[in-house]
Amino acid sequence: ETGVTQTPRHLVMGMTNKKSLKCEQHLGHNAMYWYKQSAKKPLELMFVYSLEERVENNSVPSRFSPECPNSSHLFLHLHTLQPEDSALYLCASSLNSDGETQYFGPGTRLLVL
Amino acid sequence: QKEVEQDPGPLSVPEGAIVSLNCTYSNSAFQYFMWYRQYSRKGPELLMYTYSSGNKEDGRFTAQVDKSSKYISLFIRDSQPSDSATYLCAMSHNTDKLIFGTGTRLQVFP
Repeated sequence: ETGVTQTPRHLVMGMTNKKSLKCEQHLGHNAMYWYKQSAKKPLELMFVYSLEERVENNSVPSRFSPECPNSSHLFLHLHTLQPEDSALYLCASSLNSDGETQYFGPGTRLLVL
Repeated sequence: QKEVEQDPGPLSVPEGAIVSLNCTYSNSAFQYFMWYRQYSRKGPELLMYTYSSGNKEDGRFTAQVDKSSKYISLFIRDSQPSDSATYLCAMSHNTDKLIFGTGTRLQVFP
């Protein structure tokens, strides 16, 4: 596989569930990102990891918990989400975290009931 | 004022038309400017990348940056139905944060 992959592509969960989103990049990049995309809003940056260290946490509620075990993998752990958290969650990677172009995965479409 | 402003559209044009997509921004420190294309149910894919001012051409696509006016444009020549997508502008100033516009939905009809 090439590029940035994300699983699952679709997820429906109840407010009391715990689930995880997975992202993998095959580009040899050092930085990875989580974004939230809601209808008619700009992409919202959630988290940035550079060389497996979190360098940005954009005031995201604690019900979203990222994990970056190595530079190729990024997880977003979800628990006790709210219906307004329903959105497309996009993972991206870039060579470094200093303004380089970012390459996106296909996203996980999340619906919270 | 939002850092990046982009008209959400939709913009509907006939096949073969020249399309002009635009973004304005308020932060004069932005140096990196990008255009992404996002098809329905897919992630954004990078179309054009420009550093600082000037024009860049790639096939039917031309990206233009006017830093004095804080205005960037993407032109699509000979538009095709396959160009129908949402086009997102994005910019940054040498940091890890890309600032995105809301995206403009483009429809090219045969």
